[in-house]
Amino acid sequence: DSGVTQTPKHLITATGQRVTLRCSPRSGDLSVYWYQQSLDQGLQFLIQYYNGEERAKGNILERFSAQQFPDLHSELNLSSLELGDSALYFCASSVDYSTGYTFGSGTRLTVV
Amino acid sequence: EDQVTQSPEALRLQEGESSSLNCSYTVSGLRGLFWYRQDPGKGPEFLFTLYSAGEEKEKERLKATLTKKESFLHITAPKPEDSATYLCAVQGVSGNTPLVFGKGTRLSVIA
Repeated sequence: DSGVTQTPKHLITATGQRVTLRCSPRSGDLSVYWYQQSLDQGLQFLIQYYNGEERAKGNILERFSAQQFPDLHSELNLSSLELGDSALYFCASSVDYSTGYTFGSGTRLTVV
Repeated sequence: EDQVTQSPEALRLQEGESSSLNCSYTVSGLRGLFWYRQDPGKGPEFLFTLYSAGEEKEKERLKATLTKKESFLHITAPKPEDSATYLCAVQGVSGNTPLVFGKGTRLSVIA
């Protein structure tokens, strides 16, 4: 157990739907990162939050949004889902932006 | 833009057959280079961080080295349990840059 908790582990939904992925960071970590991993693209950075504030944005689609709450857990919202959004979504946390990341076990999203 | 290229994409070794994985990178200024191990369906697991050229880190059968342009992950006398995808990532010094990952090397060790 890495200390980073992601729920749910698996999610199957239809095109056009909206889902929310949840992440609880490791105790004491203030930064949360979201990554998308597909077979052909590898790990792609989506967005980072630090202590409740957005700090960096990667190739995140406008249909996707995220937030970090006062208790430091984070949620990634994916809307108007398309088949191509099927992927593993990982959350990672760190003490601050200068240290390595600890990853959760991921949420496998399947859009049918 | 920071970039990481890993080679080979896949590597198949016999148990005990040593080899090396390559990670080539371009970054404006390197804060750190990271190696992770990822098992199927699981999250990446941290292995090493290297900060400057010439640095080496070891853990069991793995040794990571760093130059100004690339890093190697040497695997000595691998065992089947070393089978996994090995990911390399870099973090630049420019502002608040997140880790940029390569696509990984998928290692299979056959008994």
